[in-house]
Amino acid sequence: ILNVEQSPQSLHVQEGDSTNFTCSFPSSNFYALHWYRWETAKSPEALFVMTLNGDEKKKGRISATLNTKEGYSYLYIKGSQPEDSATYLCASSGGSYIPTFGRGTSLIVHP
Amino acid sequence: DSGVTQTPKHLITATGQRVTLRCSPRSGDLSVYWYQQSLDQGLQFLIQYYNGEERAKGNILERFSAQQFPDLHSELNLSSLELGDSALYFCASSVDDSSTDTQYFGPGTRLTVL
Repeated sequence: ILNVEQSPQSLHVQEGDSTNFTCSFPSSNFYALHWYRWETAKSPEALFVMTLNGDEKKKGRISATLNTKEGYSYLYIKGSQPEDSATYLCASSGGSYIPTFGRGTSLIVHP
Repeated sequence: DSGVTQTPKHLITATGQRVTLRCSPRSGDLSVYWYQQSLDQGLQFLIQYYNGEERAKGNILERFSAQQFPDLHSELNLSSLELGDSALYFCASSVDDSSTDTQYFGPGTRLTVL
């Protein structure tokens, strides 16, 4: 994988559903993986920074895992709420420290 | 509110012109990053400054330049503007220059080139 890829591109779920999405990144020369939440008409807001293989981070109903050997990270949202509707971005940094962003996963939670 | 401020919020200008976007980082943050978000592209890293010095450079055009001043605010200068430069420009700041630092994004400047 040369670029950072996120899937799915968009996701519609019902309130209360749990959901997850994927960020794939180059596993060679990996340094850090960032997750951001980006609401419409606002600016990206940092959720997690992850660096170590096997890292797990949690903030409320949102959690993330990291596998640096195979180059992927999962973001999980438990019991989705309408206020979770946003685009979730991931960004990977290698040795050059330059962050490469994925195109994001757009989540819409229907009441 | 992240504590990062950007001015102006909106800017409309013509092709061939030059504009300056301004960013003030959060109090205590030494690093400033500039990003471009255009319709057909994801968020693109342009350049990073740390304590007044250029630290990392991304896909920044030669027509674009930036600097960070002694008071740590930063300016992004865009010259010889083209229609394709229309985009949302974000500034972010972090405490240090490590890629593991949390970045705090400003509200962005929307540039429209007519």
